[in-house]
Amino acid sequence: AQSVAQPEDQVNVAEGNPLTVKCTYSVSGNPYLFWYVQYPNRGLQFLLKYITGDNLVKGSYGFEAEFNKSQTSFHLKKPSALVSDSALYFCAVRAPGGGNKLTFGTGTQLKVEL
Amino acid sequence: DTGVSQDPRHKITKRGQNVTFRCDPISEHNRLYWYRQTLGQGPEFLTYFQNEAQLEKSRLLSDRFSAERPKGSFSTLEIQRTEQGDSAMYLCASSHGGVAGPNSYFFGPGTRLTVL
Repeated sequence: AQSVAQPEDQVNVAEGNPLTVKCTYSVSGNPYLFWYVQYPNRGLQFLLKYITGDNLVKGSYGFEAEFNKSQTSFHLKKPSALVSDSALYFCAVRAPGGGNKLTFGTGTQLKVEL
Repeated sequence: DTGVSQDPRHKITKRGQNVTFRCDPISEHNRLYWYRQTLGQGPEFLTYFQNEAQLEKSRLLSDRFSAERPKGSFSTLEIQRTEQGDSAMYLCASSHGGVAGPNSYFFGPGTRLTVL
């Protein structure tokens, strides 16, 4: 069965500093990997995804993520954090042949402070 | 706004009552998904429609849960004989094509259910 781990419940970073939100996955075969962001009382918003090709994926709002097959990781990064990036971030995976179902991690709360 | 909409946004009910939620997807999207999110957890897949056909159901979807998408447009999720453990945020998402499509899923704002 596929699974996603987000080892940090919360990440704190100062505005202007780089940020990393960690994600590791477990799946048989080549995965599809996704990052979503959730603001309070809002639905999830798509940030980026990895399907195939370049391991470095660029997405919305200056975010990027790097697919590392050997480490089974898909960490989310941004070179310079903004206070407005403060939100709940979810990593998700779809296994090959897994239909259209996504398996989500438990989420990481990002707090960007002045 | 032409995004995914859900109604109601909040529902408080007493244990044992039936509730029904509605989801209106983005109009040109042929696929519709329901997920459930409890506090401190990520969304968990419940079920998926392609047009009006329900193609996949999670084991989480007990026999008290039923979902429909009668004309391939809006969908309803009904929970019968609600239990306190049903308290959660119920999220709907839609897509055009599968998860490999341009933007994957578009999620609605969710319906928060509280069962007293």
